[in-house]
Amino acid sequence: EIVLTQSPGTLSLSPGERATLSCWASQSVVSSHLVWYQQKPGQAPRLLIYGASTRATGIPDRFSGSGSGTDFTLTISRLEPEDFAVYYCHQYGSSPWTFGQGTRLEIK
Amino acid sequence: QLQLQESGPGLVKSSETLSLTCTVSGGSISSSNYYWGWIRQPPGKGLEWIGTIYYTGNTYYNPSLKSRVTISVDTPRNQFSLRLNSVTAADTALYYCARHGFSTAARYFDYWGQGSLVTVSS
Repeated sequence: EIVLTQSPGTLSLSPGERATLSCWASQSVVSSHLVWYQQKPGQAPRLLIYGASTRATGIPDRFSGSGSGTDFTLTISRLEPEDFAVYYCHQYGSSPWTFGQGTRLEIK
Repeated sequence: QLQLQESGPGLVKSSETLSLTCTVSGGSISSSNYYWGWIRQPPGKGLEWIGTIYYTGNTYYNPSLKSRVTISVDTPRNQFSLRLNSVTAADTALYYCARHGFSTAARYFDYWGQGSLVTVSS
């Protein structure tokens, strides 16, 4: 099983700042089959990025994903008030499909 | 627009069986392009994939839950279901149903239900 470790656990930033969230895999993720989700309280996860770097439909271009192998990054270039949420990475390259424990992005 | 809706009891007694159904609307569960899965999230915690089914009935389970899980599909009703037996307090969670792609490159969860909270009581 591939274990995904996200860092930091909590990130405190102000609107307008840049956010960098990391996701490390215990083994190489097959073909960069990794996604990022955003989850707000009381809501289901929302797909942001798939294939490590492709934005899902309707996702603003301030969100970008990068990485391969075992190291992946989600970057939010300029934080908007609606971006403060919990972010999860998820690998779908090897079964069992697994999720990171999440990074909470909070307003400073 | 595809929609998924979970339904089932919100309270289950310890050692009994948790049963949930996911009703799919706005699309066919019999599409050859998609799998249908269950994911859960304990209160305040992260996400765990439980298992997945294809419309043909082929199933894939998380080894950590495999001995207790059964997922089935009802194509005429456009529904799929989860049964988790011998539940304990550790199974208390928000249970989501979701769709994911059939091809390996698209096997991520793209559409999710709103979730169904199941509490296991002693």
